[in-house]
Amino acid sequence: RKEVEQDPGPFNVPEGATVAFNCTYSNSASQSFFWYRQDCRKEPKLLMSVYSSGNEDGRFTAQLNRASQYISLLIRDSKLSDSATYLCVVNQGGSYIPTFGRGTSLIVHP
Amino acid sequence: DVKVTQSSRYLVKRTGEKVFLECVQDMDHENMFWYRQDPGLGLRLIYFSYDVKMKEKGDIPEGYSVSREKKERFSLILESASTNQTSMYLCASTIGQGFGEQYFGPGTRLTVT
Repeated sequence: RKEVEQDPGPFNVPEGATVAFNCTYSNSASQSFFWYRQDCRKEPKLLMSVYSSGNEDGRFTAQLNRASQYISLLIRDSKLSDSATYLCVVNQGGSYIPTFGRGTSLIVHP
Repeated sequence: DVKVTQSSRYLVKRTGEKVFLECVQDMDHENMFWYRQDPGLGLRLIYFSYDVKMKEKGDIPEGYSVSREKKERFSLILESASTNQTSMYLCASTIGQGFGEQYFGPGTRLTVT
């Protein structure tokens, strides 16, 4: 079983829609959680960190559910420019090594 | 602004050739990483380094080696390139214990023919 799992999608939504992605992780000792965004043929870039108390940045909200071992990303009022692949990243406790999910593809259409 | 650069954006090599991929970061980061990214498989860690001359194997180190002689530079070496090493190679760096933001280079698209 892969340590970090994501639905690959694609999620195909109209502009203005609200869309949510989940990412499950298997190691209960995981301590740090992130969402990255990767545009086509570009490198991944940090979108936001995920804190225990949740994290909101404009139209983006990230949540952590430790009991069920998943993190989520909610995007409100989707824009065409939100089309990308969203990567979930988990740092295992006590390790230097981040573990990436395979990514969820989002396509926002007019 | 953190900058991670990679020596080539595109590279074409023949089977059996020795290939060097260079990565340089300018922010004095301790940790550096090499990944490869393939469709449907996501990013897979090849090697990482948490200090000069220190290296650790990642998930898929077979067929690769690395070198870190200076803090800012982390090299990935394909000793004898094979067609199954055709991929996008991404270098990244982080400060401190690796629990923070990873900064990625633009990637090298390697094709082995």
